Amino acid sequence: EPEVTQTPSHQVTQMGQEVILRCVPISNHLYFYWYRQILGQKVEFLVSFYNNEISEKSEIFDDQFSVERPDGSNFTLKIRSTKLEDSAMYFCASSLAGRGEQYFGPGTRLTVT
Amino acid sequence: GEDVEQSLFLSVREGDSSVINCTYTDSSSTYLYWYKQEPGAGLQLLTYIFSNMDMKQDQRLTVLLNKKDKHLSLRIADTQTGDSAIYFCAETRNQGGKLIFGQGTELSVKP
Repeated sequence: EPEVTQTPSHQVTQMGQEVILRCVPISNHLYFYWYRQILGQKVEFLVSFYNNEISEKSEIFDDQFSVERPDGSNFTLKIRSTKLEDSAMYFCASSLAGRGEQYFGPGTRLTVT
Repeated sequence: GEDVEQSLFLSVREGDSSVINCTYTDSSSTYLYWYKQEPGAGLQLLTYIFSNMDMKQDQRLTVLLNKKDKHLSLRIADTQTGDSAIYFCAETRNQGGKLIFGQGTELSVKP
């Protein structure tokens, strides 16, 4: 069964460094998303992406964040200058056009020290 | 604004039914979802319901939607120890739209 994959599973970085989190959505899906879950808190929406552009973003998704679909399979989230409060589990998700179900990857745990 | 609320914990005995409840505030919700998260794992889509339905059954899972009260529930029949996990309720206004999640209900199944 097709699934969303994410790499790395765990990323440790120092404050101020740039990180890139990678996702491979399900191959025939056209909508892509990033969510995050700070330990002990709700899963929060960051951004959605469709037709090579951002379709919606939350207040969390400020100028430090960017997304890209560099080729036909990868979908990336870049944090330019990480802060301690960026430490969280980051989930990628994808959905088929015209369908409501979003399928999630296993997540990348980002630890900023 | 949009908000989704769930109780934090539920403990049941193996073989009993579990009922996990969720309330939401957005009257424009179109799709409502249940996700399962096992320790260290991602979010697994269990089932979903359109807002124009009031019930959906899928094997041991039954979803009930009371749109008037904005109340969603997930019933798991014959609960097994493998059902122990955190269950998240989520809603969205439209296909392709962002999901708004509840805080998750931790289900503990005792043998």
